[in-house]
Formats: sequence, structure tokens, C-alpha cells
Amino acid sequence: DVKVTQSSRYLVKRTGEKVFLECVQDMDHENMFWYRQDPGLGLRLIYFSYDVKMKEKGDIPEGYSVSREKKERFSLILESASTNQTSMYLCASIVGGGAGELFFGEGSRLTVL
Amino acid sequence: AQSVTQLGSHVSVSEGALVLLRCNYSSSVPPYLFWYVQYPNQGLQLLLKYTSAATLVKGINGFEAEFKKSETSFHLTKPSAHMSDAAEYFCAVSEGAQKLVFGQGTRLTINP
Repeated sequence: DVKVTQSSRYLVKRTGEKVFLECVQDMDHENMFWYRQDPGLGLRLIYFSYDVKMKEKGDIPEGYSVSREKKERFSLILESASTNQTSMYLCASIVGGGAGELFFGEGSRLTVL
Repeated sequence: AQSVTQLGSHVSVSEGALVLLRCNYSSSVPPYLFWYVQYPNQGLQLLLKYTSAATLVKGINGFEAEFKKSETSFHLTKPSAHMSDAAEYFCAVSEGAQKLVFGQGTRLTINP
């Protein structure tokens, strides 16, 4: 079975701290994604990556950056966390094109105080 | 630009009743359409998908959805609700690239 693992399920950080959210997939998928999930807003795409060292902005990239140094790992970085970044963050991966199935991690719930 | 609208952020049905979750989309090209389900404290998992084959798509757990191009709709149904169906459901559209656009989600509650 495909597995997407997010390293932290729950995090509590203070305003201004640097936050790293790690995601690892074990099925050699080329494409990886970071989404943010908020009540009433559904999932919104932050960043995605088609290949190692490749990244593209999604719909809400402000305040975030990403890193993909290895194919299996895609990291989301909050350089200086703010309270409006309190949210559920979901990582996903997919093997190919638009008809494929996205495989999701269980999510990382971040609270910024 | 592609977009998805799910009608009703909360739907409540009795156990054994019909489940109907509504999804309308906009797309400039023939789309791929998906329904994902999220159980409490879990990530999303695929229920079913439409990829331009049959317009009636069957998924897991007894769910199905019908693609209606004239109505730009992809509503999700299940004839008889079960308590285990309580979850949040997301409709999503893709125009062929890898990027999916999700709807706002519908939380389904099942009453005993």
C-alpha cells in the first residue's frame, strides 16, 4: 500500500518561530503537494513539486516555502509563523497525470500562539 | 479557471435513508472529477472518480456519482446510509494537469 507519512500530527508553536512540516512517501511518486485545510474553505493548494528541486506556487503560497531535495521527501516551511497560519496541513502525492489518485497523509495540525 | 461548488456544508440523514451530496463544477475543458472522503482525524481517501468513460461511476462503500455535462454536476449518492458513512466529503476537479481544485467540503451526519 502507498503510504504518505507526515512527521508531526500535532504541533504548537509561537508567533515568529520557524516551523518545518515533513512529508515522506514510499511509492516513488513524482508529484507531491501541500494543502491547507480550513473549515468552510476546503483544501487550498500551497505549493507543489513535479520533481526533485522543482517547485511551483499553488493558490496560497504567501508565508510559506518548500524544499524537495529527495524524491520521497517534501517539506513545508513557515519562515516566521503567524496566528493566521493555525490550520490543518495535508501532504499528498500522485504518480502521474490528472486522472490519477492523490494519496494523502493523515495531516499535521498546527497551532500558532 | 476550474472551480468546484459543493451545495450544503452540512447534510444530516437518518440511518437507512438516501444520501445525496451535491457538487457543481466549472471547467473550460472536459474535466476529471473526483469524490474524496475524510474520516475524523485522518487524511483524505478516494471514493470514486470520473475520467470520461461511463457517466455513472461506482465507488467504494456503496457510493456512486453521475456526471451530467449539461448540468455541470457530479452529485454523490448512496441508497442507504450507514452510521459508518459519517465523515466529510470533498468534490474535486482536474483539467488534466496534476493539480486538483477542491470544493469546500460537506460534513455528513447520520442519525440513528
